[in-house]
Amino acid sequence: QKEVEQNSGPLSVPEGAIASLNCTYSDRGSQSFFWYRQYSGKSPELIMFIYSNGDKEDGRFTAQLNKASQYVSLLIRDSQPSDSATYLCAARGAMNTGFQKLVFGTGTRLLVSP
Amino acid sequence: KAGVTQTPRYLIKTRGQQVTLSCSPISGHRSVSWYQQTPGQGLQFLFEYFSETQRNKGNFPGRFSGRQFSNSRSEMNVSTLELGDSALYLCASSLPSSTDTQYFGPGTRLTVL
Repeated sequence: QKEVEQNSGPLSVPEGAIASLNCTYSDRGSQSFFWYRQYSGKSPELIMFIYSNGDKEDGRFTAQLNKASQYVSLLIRDSQPSDSATYLCAARGAMNTGFQKLVFGTGTRLLVSP
Repeated sequence: KAGVTQTPRYLIKTRGQQVTLSCSPISGHRSVSWYQQTPGQGLQFLFEYFSETQRNKGNFPGRFSGRQFSNSRSEMNVSTLELGDSALYLCASSLPSSTDTQYFGPGTRLTVL
């Protein structure tokens, strides 16, 4: 079983719609979660991180975390063609373990059509 | 503030050769992590360095090694290259705290022929 799982997609949404990206993780010890966006041929860039259960909003992006269900999601409101990319979900272990290892999902490819 | 830099950006090597990749973290960041990204396996953790010490290592063979210098710059080395080592190698830096976010460099694209 993969530690962090994502649907590979592609997820196709029309411009202006809400894109919903989902991620599940297997390690209950995971404490912090990150969403990165990666354009083709580029390196991952951080969109958001979330540590606590519930929602966290930043502009058009909302991250949602449910530790009981081991589920993380990213909502993109008013999707734009420039949002077309692969979205990587990552989890990190307990904060007292003292290391920075991120475990990544394989990513969901998002396509936003004009 | 300058971002994470990696050199070289592209490399072509042949099987059996060795290669050294370099990473300069964001100023003030003391933790450097390395990842390998391939289409089939996604992003895989290689190792993490903090204060010149390797704190964690992923499931890669001993041909993959690294080090960190006193100025936090890091290098990784791959010896006896295999075709399967062709990948994008990414370096990420962060502040010392384990709660801090990792920021990625542009990567080094290694092609093994």
